[in-house]
Amino acid sequence: EVQLVESGGGLVQPGGSLRLSCAASGFTFSSYWMNCVRQAPGKGLEWVANIKEDGSEKNYVDSVKGRFTISRDNAKNSLFLQMNSLRAEDTAVYYCARGNFGALDIWGQGTMVTVSS
Amino acid sequence: QSALTQPASVSGSPGQSITISCTGTSRDVGSYNIVSWYQHYPGKAPKLMIYEVTKRPSGVSNRFSGSKSGNTASLTISGLQAEDEADYYCCSYAGSSTWVFGGGAKLTVL
Repeated sequence: EVQLVESGGGLVQPGGSLRLSCAASGFTFSSYWMNCVRQAPGKGLEWVANIKEDGSEKNYVDSVKGRFTISRDNAKNSLFLQMNSLRAEDTAVYYCARGNFGALDIWGQGTMVTVSS
Repeated sequence: QSALTQPASVSGSPGQSITISCTGTSRDVGSYNIVSWYQHYPGKAPKLMIYEVTKRPSGVSNRFSGSKSGNTASLTISGLQAEDEADYYCCSYAGSSTWVFGGGAKLTVL
């Protein structure tokens, strides 16, 4: 079964750091772009970052540039999002999603990140 | 990287058809035939319903269809069913390997 499972969410203080993980199974992970998308409480979906199949290209939404770093370990079929200097407005459910045919065709269930003192 | 514009809410009765619009700019929707639509039930993973403006993934009902004209893409759901009640998001390629979502439209089946 094709599956993405996120982990690593939790409560963190403003200015703190958190590392999210996304474990992939059921497909050749190294053949796909991977994306991170978030949904703040009561808000819509927001694309956050993506990474090319081999990790050679990474892109970010302006609001997280310089604070978030996306990476992957193809040997372990895993995607990571390192989040530093966290702000209250980063509070959201974070999803990982596979890029395919110009769309995000497989999504995980998400992991909640709460930034609060 | 401004969000695409969708109506906050749409509604229809069972059996009717509804259309959700998604308005972008010449830098995203207007420049690329790479628009997708997602169905999202609260607390669940979003589900891809349409990709590349008009294409349906395997397993998605043919009651769902997509189109685009200029800077505006549209999702049409025909033969509305109670189970279609969900949030719907459009997403467009925005160049330089980046993406932009719409604000989402809540569909209510009356």
